[in-house]
Amino acid sequence: DAGVTQSPTHLIKTRGQQVTLRCSPKSGHDTVSWYQQALGQGPQFIFQYYEEEERQRGNFPDRFSGHQFPNYSSELNVNALLLGDSALYLCASGTGRSEQYFGPGTRLTVT
Amino acid sequence: GENVEQHPSTLSVQEGDSAVIKCTYSDSASNYFPWYKQELGKRPQLIIDIRSNVGEKKDQRIAVTLNKTAKHFSLHITETQPEDSAVYFCAAEDSGSTLGRLYFGRGTQLTVWP
Repeated sequence: DAGVTQSPTHLIKTRGQQVTLRCSPKSGHDTVSWYQQALGQGPQFIFQYYEEEERQRGNFPDRFSGHQFPNYSSELNVNALLLGDSALYLCASGTGRSEQYFGPGTRLTVT
Repeated sequence: GENVEQHPSTLSVQEGDSAVIKCTYSDSASNYFPWYKQELGKRPQLIIDIRSNVGEKKDQRIAVTLNKTAKHFSLHITETQPEDSAVYFCAAEDSGSTLGRLYFGRGTQLTVWP
């Protein structure tokens, strides 16, 4: 049984560009949450998807958007990249108010 | 929203000693508190969690205690081993979320010296 998977592993972009990150939840999970983890910090909640809709959003600008597909996989899109967007982006999956399991993350570097 | 404070930020112990990491939270309605271990360059891994209907939970060398009145919870690791070295994060679930939004502390870098 595969756990949470994410792609790509690493990504380097320049300021102003757009990026798409992907996540496949653990088998049996229907809820996907995205977190941003800056160096030396705890993960910060970006948003959460359930039944293909954004259900809750953290304190992130509209440049951050997402999508969930019928197979529960999800994408995180970030437009107009800033240097401050450099971070580890983590996807977590679960079922409702249950344990959240994290993927390995995508390390995004903006130059 | 919830505010989670975690202390200490770094902790060094000798192999075999115990380690304790403490967290406080602000939302008295929160009722789920997980702990994650993150090794360098790897994903956060859920190591233990506790819900507000119990005061303590143990799993081998790891235990978590919860004091709802004081709004704090702690991770206890006994008989530490070098492989316990990692960053540990506490978290509290958003009481207003139906889908498990988590608020994290800033992490504790635990180093276990052989």
